[in-house]
Amino acid sequence: GEDVEQSLFLSVREGDSSVINCTYTDSSSTYLYWYKQEPGAGLQLLTYIFSNMDMKQDQRLTVLLNKKDKHLSLRIADTQTGDSAIYFCAEKVPTDKLIFGTGTRLQVFP
Amino acid sequence: EAGVAQSPRYKIIEKRQSVAFWCNPISGHATLYWYQQILGQGPKLLIQFQNNGVVDDSQLPKDRFSAERLKGVDSTLKIQPAKLEDSAVYLCASTPTSGYTGELFFGEGSRLTVL
Repeated sequence: GEDVEQSLFLSVREGDSSVINCTYTDSSSTYLYWYKQEPGAGLQLLTYIFSNMDMKQDQRLTVLLNKKDKHLSLRIADTQTGDSAIYFCAEKVPTDKLIFGTGTRLQVFP
Repeated sequence: EAGVAQSPRYKIIEKRQSVAFWCNPISGHATLYWYQQILGQGPKLLIQFQNNGVVDDSQLPKDRFSAERLKGVDSTLKIQPAKLEDSAVYLCASTPTSGYTGELFFGEGSRLTVL
């Protein structure tokens, strides 16, 4: 089946690390993605990971993939107020479509 | 490089009226997607085109929604007649080809309000 789940909200203090979690169900997924959506805007790709990797680091972003548990996480180091947005996890299935999660709203307070 | 263009950005109609949304993908992108994003939810795929052929329209409510991509470039999504539950942002996205990282490039979306 195709289903991607995320927690709805996360609130962190500026300067702390944020960890957003995601679980997916399709074991044939080839790539997994994190997209960011700011109010009134489209979705912007933050980072992606190939399904045969277990970690990817890109500046302040660290993606961890546990393929056995079908669990994906995004860690944002030194979270800033500009990071406040909705973060979507997505999996790419063999038909080349992306299945998106429900989104996690990250709120960063000073 | 120009991004994915969508119009109109906003549309307000009454139920049972019709509406059409237009999308121009990034030049050279073969695959085009229409997603529906209801407030508070993640985007849901409505239809996927590869050039001018339909790859997946399994979640398109075909009794009221239609989409076309006649020349394999720009695309139109139509809703007729609209229902209250069609209020959403309609996102268009494109990718060059299959078999690479698969990143979707999204437009800013067309926000539909049905009264």
